[in-house]
Amino acid sequence: AQKITQTQPGMFVQEKEAVTLDCTYDTSDPSYGLFWYKQPSSGEMIFLIYQGSYDQQNATEGRYSLNFQKARKSANLVISASQLGDSAMYFCAMREGLGGGSEKLVFGKGTKLTVNP
Amino acid sequence: NAGVTQTPKFQVLKTGQSMTLQCAQDMNHEYMSWYRQDPGMGLRLIHYSVGAGITDQGEVPNGYNVSRSTTEDFPLRLLSAAPSQTSVYFCASSYAGLGKNIQYFGAGTRLSVL
Repeated sequence: AQKITQTQPGMFVQEKEAVTLDCTYDTSDPSYGLFWYKQPSSGEMIFLIYQGSYDQQNATEGRYSLNFQKARKSANLVISASQLGDSAMYFCAMREGLGGGSEKLVFGKGTKLTVNP
Repeated sequence: NAGVTQTPKFQVLKTGQSMTLQCAQDMNHEYMSWYRQDPGMGLRLIHYSVGAGITDQGEVPNGYNVSRSTTEDFPLRLLSAAPSQTSVYFCASSYAGLGKNIQYFGAGTRLSVL
């Protein structure tokens, strides 16, 4: 069974609008971390945002926020006020455990976001 | 600030050839790892290391060897390249204590095996 599922292979959004990229995860470990990375066409992997399983509030980083619904095991990325430079692949990833040596990341297959002018 | 440096950026091999992909980090990170990225597959973990002298297998280790003699370096060796190893390879590093431990990635190596 896939541990990270991203059900949207591709998404389109108009510039300046908000967009939500879906991510669901599967783990029986009560301690875990969820990450989102951006991969532009140039190929590098850029960290965007992190949510720990015990974090009480949804994570936010500038225009990025994470809609964390623990009971539903979902960790959707919300990008507000989309910009043309947001066009990229977006990957959701999970680390089981809270660090201390258990750093292995499992990635989803990604969502390709296209921002239209 | 270099971060994670991978060399080479591109490589073409013939089936059966061997090569080493280099990875170095200057952030004093304990944890280092190698991933491969194939179209439609996301990133899959090949091997990882939690410190010098300690390595372990990830999800897709067959055909690859690693060693970690220093904190800074974590080379990935292909002993006998196969066309199935055509992929983009990423090295990543992070701290290994309790906490976020964000993994920072190198720019990647695009490998073609003919």
